[in-house]
Amino acid sequence: QQQVKQSPQSLIVQKGGISIINCAYENTAFDYFPWYQQFPGKGPALLIAIRPDVSEKKEGRFTISFNKSAKQFSLHIMDSQPGDSATYFCAASSVGQFYFGTGTSLTVIP
Amino acid sequence: SAVISQKPSRDICQRGTSLTIQCQVDSQVTMMFWYRQQPGQSLTLIATANQGSEATYESGFVIDKFPISRPNLTFSTLTVSNMSPEDSSIYLCSVVKGGFETQYFGPGTRLLVL
Repeated sequence: QQQVKQSPQSLIVQKGGISIINCAYENTAFDYFPWYQQFPGKGPALLIAIRPDVSEKKEGRFTISFNKSAKQFSLHIMDSQPGDSATYFCAASSVGQFYFGTGTSLTVIP
Repeated sequence: SAVISQKPSRDICQRGTSLTIQCQVDSQVTMMFWYRQQPGQSLTLIATANQGSEATYESGFVIDKFPISRPNLTFSTLTVSNMSPEDSSIYLCSVVKGGFETQYFGPGTRLLVL
């Protein structure tokens, strides 16, 4: 059973647009929700993370929106740039147990 | 944060041979993990490397095929034994520092088995 469901599988956005990637989870014990960015040939790198006691966290152009009641969280990339083209993974964790989404391949067209 | 290095970064191996991948962290960490990632796919946890004791394997992965060592808090190895082309993948080391939260990944080892 997939603990974290991620959508869409792929996303194409024009430069300057907003990229939105969604994730949903079932286990209410999860208490940490990170997003990872992975470029081809590289390992995943932590991008931004949120805890369930806040509804939104913003770091530069990247924002996580968190809806605890719906058990959903999303990554918003504002003013998307070609350099943002990568694969993005959401994850959920609790006490050292990590569960990853299936990944979203983002392409930002110049 | 944590700086993680992996050796080798890539390798091409013959069927039936074994390859040992090393993972070195720049500081002591709470937990170390080994993942496998097929091209364009998500991350599949192989095992948790436990310091001073046997690794904890996920369903579908066994110690005879993927023996793991973790002699101290900054180093671990994963061996892919008796390789077949199906073992061709990216193998990633990851660590957790401090509390059970942020997980950091190494650059990966790209393995091709012929």
